Amino acid sequence: EAQVTQNPRYLITVTGKKLTVTCSQNMNHEYMSWYRQDPGLGLRQIYYSMNVEVTDKGDVPEGYKVSRKEKRNFPLILESPSPNQTSLYFCASSPTGGFGTDTQYFGPGTRLTVL
Amino acid sequence: GQNIDQPTEMTATEGAIVQINCTYQTSGFNGLFWYQQHAGEAPTFLSYNVLDGLEEKGRFSSFLSRSKGYSYLLLKELQMKDSASYLCAPRGSWGKFQFGAGTQVVVTP
Repeated sequence: EAQVTQNPRYLITVTGKKLTVTCSQNMNHEYMSWYRQDPGLGLRQIYYSMNVEVTDKGDVPEGYKVSRKEKRNFPLILESPSPNQTSLYFCASSPTGGFGTDTQYFGPGTRLTVL
Repeated sequence: GQNIDQPTEMTATEGAIVQINCTYQTSGFNGLFWYQQHAGEAPTFLSYNVLDGLEEKGRFSSFLSRSKGYSYLLLKELQMKDSASYLCAPRGSWGKFQFGAGTQVVVTP
């Protein structure tokens, strides 16, 4: 089944404790992206990747890191989480990210709480 | 997104029609998507416009005017399962996406 998976789905952690949220897609998509969703603010793009070893900042990259060492995986790293990073996070992928009806497919989401 | 405006909430009865408007400002505009998101779930694709005009897809239609920075999503013959948030998402150049805060549609019996 074609899908985007994220792990963990739920995480409660404490300020300053490094964490990684994994994202994997099995559709051979070139484009992957991370978003956070907060009430009243909608989805905001954190980082995106047009292909392996190519990553770019979205609108809210501060406090986050990403890497794209292989096409299928795009982990999101919080080196020192803070309470303002408490949010619902979505990973998404699409065939190219920039052309035509190239819609994004979203993972199920990761609900992160930083105490 | 800061440059995307859509109403916060709309209520309509089953069987009715609802139109969700979206205005946007996006540099390097490269198409506009509409997504549906049920509470606690991931967004799913509804429609895409890149040229001016109306795109029809069953009960859902979407319209775009690039010169006005305006789009709308039309939901016809509303069903209870259409109760969800609808997200307007203009695409900028090279993979940059912005999303509106979403319009919560409440369908009543």
